Amino acid sequence: SQQGEEDPQALSIQEGENATMNCSYKTSINNLQWYRQNSGRGLVHLILIRSNEREKHSGRLRVTLDTSKKSSSLLITASRAADTASYFCATASFGNTGFQKLVFGTGTRLLVSP
Amino acid sequence: DVKVTQSSRYLVKRTGEKVFLECVQDMDHENMFWYRQDPGLGLRLIYFSYDVKMKEKGDIPEGYSVSREKKERFSLILESASTNQTSMYLCASSLLPQGHYEQYFGPGTRLTVT
Repeated sequence: SQQGEEDPQALSIQEGENATMNCSYKTSINNLQWYRQNSGRGLVHLILIRSNEREKHSGRLRVTLDTSKKSSSLLITASRAADTASYFCATASFGNTGFQKLVFGTGTRLLVSP
Repeated sequence: DVKVTQSSRYLVKRTGEKVFLECVQDMDHENMFWYRQDPGLGLRLIYFSYDVKMKEKGDIPEGYSVSREKKERFSLILESASTNQTSMYLCASSLLPQGHYEQYFGPGTRLTVT
């Protein structure tokens, strides 16, 4: 399995600071996606970056992708207490059938203190 | 707004019982998924369906079956529940099986098998 692995497993910061999470994976991908999960809830899609893109922004989120290193990072700037959640990367490959299949990592738990 | 609903937030069943988990999406999405989420293991794909009456095994299909009789509804069935199936179950949908699409998740069903 080409499961993504997030680093660090847990991150604790103060409001206003930036949070950086990293994701590494093993095989070639078509795109990489980041999701957020609040405690005990479903996942919410944050951002998708295609394999031919290097950087993408969405509000306070910045995602980079380095396919040569098989790694991605998610930066949350000026963090807020409401950003407290678990963050997952998911690698997408299309496979022989052409259907997109996501493989999720184990996540980074982010705690933002007021 | 995109919406994926799951029939129960919490469910307690006894070993050997037949269990049905229901998922409904209102977005006319072609693709639907069932995952289970366990601490330290992330999300793992059980089954997915790319069309009505069509299904494909995911990474951990053993002990599970699925049904998709209507486009908006995807059911996960535990034929004979066992304690190792105690987990959080997440349903998701995406617009099309092919292409770069994000997945939309339901709130999850926390199943306990005693």
